[in-house]
Amino acid sequence: ILNVEQSPQSLHVQEGDSTNFTCSFPSSNFYALHWYRWETAKSPEALFVMTLNGDEKKKGRISATLNTKEGYSYLYIKGSQPEDSATYLCAFRLPSGTYKYIFGTGTRLKVLA
Amino acid sequence: SAVISQKPSRDICQRGTSLTIQCQVDSQVTMMFWYRQQPGQSLTLIATANQGSEATYESGFVIDKFPISRPNLTFSTLTVSNMSPEDSSIYLCSVGAGTTSEQYFGPGTRLTVT
Repeated sequence: ILNVEQSPQSLHVQEGDSTNFTCSFPSSNFYALHWYRWETAKSPEALFVMTLNGDEKKKGRISATLNTKEGYSYLYIKGSQPEDSATYLCAFRLPSGTYKYIFGTGTRLKVLA
Repeated sequence: SAVISQKPSRDICQRGTSLTIQCQVDSQVTMMFWYRQQPGQSLTLIATANQGSEATYESGFVIDKFPISRPNLTFSTLTVSNMSPEDSSIYLCSVGAGTTSEQYFGPGTRLTVT
């Protein structure tokens, strides 16, 4: 059974702190890894699609890295703001021709003002 | 990108009843997907809804419990039948984004079964 794990499950940080979370996924048959931000009562928003070992992507204060050989990805938030409060999901895309993903349970971030 | 709306946004239902969730997309798409997130669990794919053919269900999900309709390329419904408290979840629909392999999600339907 393929498993995608995220840690920590939740965390609280102070405004201005930098933080990071981990997504662990199967290291064999890698196809793509996605990161989403999901705010309560809103649609999950795509942050990054990562496909190559060593990929580093950045969007404003948020960045992500990918290590397919060891099966992990890090998401970093620099200078956290209250509006960053959300659940961050990673999703491992299965190497098939269809849209099949295994999602982690998410990291719930709360940024305190 | 695609803009997706879902109705209802939330509902509280009695056990034994059924609820139909609607998903509307602002553009024509070939494949639509239905997910469920039970409390404390990860998003899990229920089925893929293809226009003009029966939905394809994932292991552990059956048509009698989660009938799906896909009457056209912009709309789909998911029915949660004969509900029990274990069906209390967030249900999301999504569509694929072609070559980028991204998915766009609706805002979800938060269902509580009492």
